[in-house]
Amino acid sequence: EVQLVESGGGLVQPGRSLRLSCAASGFTIHGYAVHWVRQSPGKGLEWVSGIFWNNGNTGYVDSVRGRFTVSRDKAKNSLQLQMISPRPDDTAMYYCVAETSPGGMDVWGKGIMVTVSS
Amino acid sequence: DVVMTQSPLSLPVTLGQPASISCRSSQSLVHSDGNTYFNWFHQRPGQSPRRLIYKVSNRDSGVPDRFSGSGSGTDFTLKISRVEAEDVGVYYCMQATHWPLTFGGGTKVEIK
Repeated sequence: EVQLVESGGGLVQPGRSLRLSCAASGFTIHGYAVHWVRQSPGKGLEWVSGIFWNNGNTGYVDSVRGRFTVSRDKAKNSLQLQMISPRPDDTAMYYCVAETSPGGMDVWGKGIMVTVSS
Repeated sequence: DVVMTQSPLSLPVTLGQPASISCRSSQSLVHSDGNTYFNWFHQRPGQSPRRLIYKVSNRDSGVPDRFSGSGSGTDFTLKISRVEAEDVGVYYCMQATHWPLTFGGGTKVEIK
């Protein structure tokens, strides 16, 4: 079964760091991009960051640039999101999303909740 | 950044009747490679989004043929020919032509 499984979420204090991970199983991520998409409680979807699997090129939404870093581990078929100095408005469900074709966004994880609060 | 504007925000529908959702982008979504990377997603409460349509009009595997996508350039439409109870939830459009990727605000479909 094709799956993405996120881990590492939970409650974090503002200013502390948190690292999310996403492990792929049932398929090998290759060739295209992998992303983090978030959804604040009761709100819509927001693309946070993405990385091109082959060359490692990355992109970020303005609100997290300089605070979040996306990376991938090709050998482990996994994706990470390092969140530095998170803020309360980073509180959201974070989804890992993989492309199996360009621009596809077709494989979604179940999501992991991150709550930033003191 | 490309702004994706969806309408309506809320769509009450009668079972068996058609429904239509519109999405407009602030700039053309035609990529330099000639493709238009525009998708539609459906999200039920408590679930992850599921992609329904990719590259404007291609249905994903397992998506009923009552769903269809159309459009070009900056204007796109999702149509449901006959709404069924399982179609309730929120529908999002999304463009993947330009980074940062951007989503529409969502359209909540509910049964009257």
